[in-house]
Amino acid sequence: ILNVEQSPQSLHVQEGDSTNFTCSFPSSNFYALHWYRWETAKSPEALFVMTLNGDEKKKGRISATLNTKEGYSYLYIKGSQPEDSATYLCAHTQGGSEKLVFGKGTKLTVNP
Amino acid sequence: EAQVTQNPRYLITVTGKKLTVTCSQNMNHEYMSWYRQDPGLGLRQIYYSMNVEVTDKGDVPEGYKVSRKEKRNFPLILESPSPNQTSLYFCASSLSGGSGGTQYFGPGTRLTVL
Repeated sequence: ILNVEQSPQSLHVQEGDSTNFTCSFPSSNFYALHWYRWETAKSPEALFVMTLNGDEKKKGRISATLNTKEGYSYLYIKGSQPEDSATYLCAHTQGGSEKLVFGKGTKLTVNP
Repeated sequence: EAQVTQNPRYLITVTGKKLTVTCSQNMNHEYMSWYRQDPGLGLRQIYYSMNVEVTDKGDVPEGYKVSRKEKRNFPLILESPSPNQTSLYFCASSLSGGSGGTQYFGPGTRLTVL
């Protein structure tokens, strides 16, 4: 994988459902993996930055895991609420580079 | 209040007319960068700066210039804008760790080049 890829592209769930989505990135020379939440008409806001293989981070109902050896990260949302509706972006950086490469995002819609 | 500010927020201009979008942060952050957001393409990094007088190209630097003469400011310059630079632009900064640090985004600048 040369780029950062996110799946699915979009997702519709019902309020109360738990959901998860994937970010895939190059596994070589890994440095950091970011997750951001981006609501319409606002700016992206940081959720997590993870640097170590096996990292798990949690913020309220949202959590993320990281597997640097196979090059993927999962974002989980437990008991989705309408206010969770947003585009979730992941971004990756490799050691030796200060470039930050973003995926195209997963657009989540939570229906009441 | 800790923040990243961008000006202007909206701009409509014509092809070839030089423009500058300013970005300023009040958090003493070392790393600053510019991104453009286009439908279906996600956020793409244009330029970044590790510190004063240290800048480098991101993935889509063509047609843009930047400067970092002061730590707090990182203006984006379009010397001769073209319609394909119509986009939503975000400036961001982070305290440390370069691209490994949490990025704080400005409010965005929506640019239309006619």
